[in-house]
Amino acid sequence: GNSVTQMEGPVTLSEEAFLTINCTYTATGYPSLFWYVQYPGEGLQLLLKATKADDKGSNKGFEATYRKETTSFHLEKGSVQVSDSAVYFCALISVRLTGTASKLTFGTGTRLQVTL
Amino acid sequence: DTGVSQNPRHKITKRGQNVTFRCDPISEHNRLYWYRQTLGQGPEFLTYFQNEAQLEKSRLLSDRFSAERPKGSFSTLEIQRTEQGDSAMYLCASSPPGLAVGETQYFGPGTRLLVL
Repeated sequence: GNSVTQMEGPVTLSEEAFLTINCTYTATGYPSLFWYVQYPGEGLQLLLKATKADDKGSNKGFEATYRKETTSFHLEKGSVQVSDSAVYFCALISVRLTGTASKLTFGTGTRLQVTL
Repeated sequence: DTGVSQNPRHKITKRGQNVTFRCDPISEHNRLYWYRQTLGQGPEFLTYFQNEAQLEKSRLLSDRFSAERPKGSFSTLEIQRTEQGDSAMYLCASSPPGLAVGETQYFGPGTRLLVL
């Protein structure tokens, strides 16, 4: 079955520090990969995605590259801000060969806390 | 675009009671998903509708759980004879018609259930 493993948190960084949150996956078929973010008191929001090998997703200064050879999709940001404090979830969809939709499989989430 | 809405936002019930949650997806989104999230974990898939048809159900969805989407618009999730282990956040997501590859699922704010 499909699974996603991401680094445990919490991750505590000072503002302007470099961020990496590791994510690796196991999947059948041709997975698309996602990072979702959950800010305090809010629902899940899509942060970025990549649909095929070597694609790079990016948004709000965050980036992640779909590495098929290492089955990874690590999230990075060059300079974090206090407003980036949230829980980050790595996820995948393994779309069937027929192209029909499937469910998201999530990692357990990594809490990021950024301090001044 | 008003986003995915869920009602109620919070529900406290006693063990053995039945509860029903409602999800209103983004208009014209034909795919609707239910997930469950427990503390410190990522969301876990429960069930999926395309229009009014329930196409996939997780083994997590015991006989006490039932979901409907009668007219292909809003959906309800009912839990009968609630147990303390049902305490969780219940999330609804929707996605638009079209190819499933790389589809973005848009999440509602969730319904937090506490079973006493």
